[in-house]
Amino acid sequence: DAGITQSPRHKVTETGTPVTLRCHQTENHRYMYWYRQDPGHGLRLIHYSYGVKDTDKGEVSDGYSVSRSKTEDFLLTLESATSSQTSVYFCAISGNLAGAAEQYFGPGTRLTVT
Amino acid sequence: DAKTTQPPSMDCAEGRAANLPCNHSTISGNEYVYWYRQIHSQGPQYIIHGLKNNETNEMASLIITEDRKSSTLILPHATLRDTAVYYCIVRVVRGSNYKLTFGKGTLLTVNP
Repeated sequence: DAGITQSPRHKVTETGTPVTLRCHQTENHRYMYWYRQDPGHGLRLIHYSYGVKDTDKGEVSDGYSVSRSKTEDFLLTLESATSSQTSVYFCAISGNLAGAAEQYFGPGTRLTVT
Repeated sequence: DAKTTQPPSMDCAEGRAANLPCNHSTISGNEYVYWYRQIHSQGPQYIIHGLKNNETNEMASLIITEDRKSSTLILPHATLRDTAVYYCIVRVVRGSNYKLTFGKGTLLTVNP
């Protein structure tokens, strides 16, 4: 299995509080992604990174920001959590092929916003 | 990316081959067929991909028809741990569209 960890694995937070999810990889892969998975919507791309300090928006980026200061870490921040952001969040990585379809996923973080 | 059609569910006996079909009649010449699976409460797992030749790895085999309008993922000896939702995705190997689009997939249940 690809060396990808996510932390925390579960979190319950209140509406309006900031939340940061961490994705850590040991594969030295260039590309990293954050997805969310909700019933009826499948996986949707939030943000992605194509290198240190290089990030771009995905299809559902509103309310989320990301940062990548090191190759191995990709942080997803919810500046002010809302109930609509209750979801399972998956991090993924891929190698040096831009926009590669062969992606490897982490175990996920289940976030509940009350 | 081309649209895919998969049966919503399938059953398979443990130890038997599981054959999961996927239709992708609008596939373009530069699009590959990718298969992922998602075991309950886990992240999606890449299985295999191919363009037009049959492919095999340690997990599965991928058979693509000559006209490339359909494909079959084969798990040669299914185990209970293969119970999962299997997704067939058609897209280019690389491109400006960075996301993976997962449809509803096929829920494969492997029975003892």
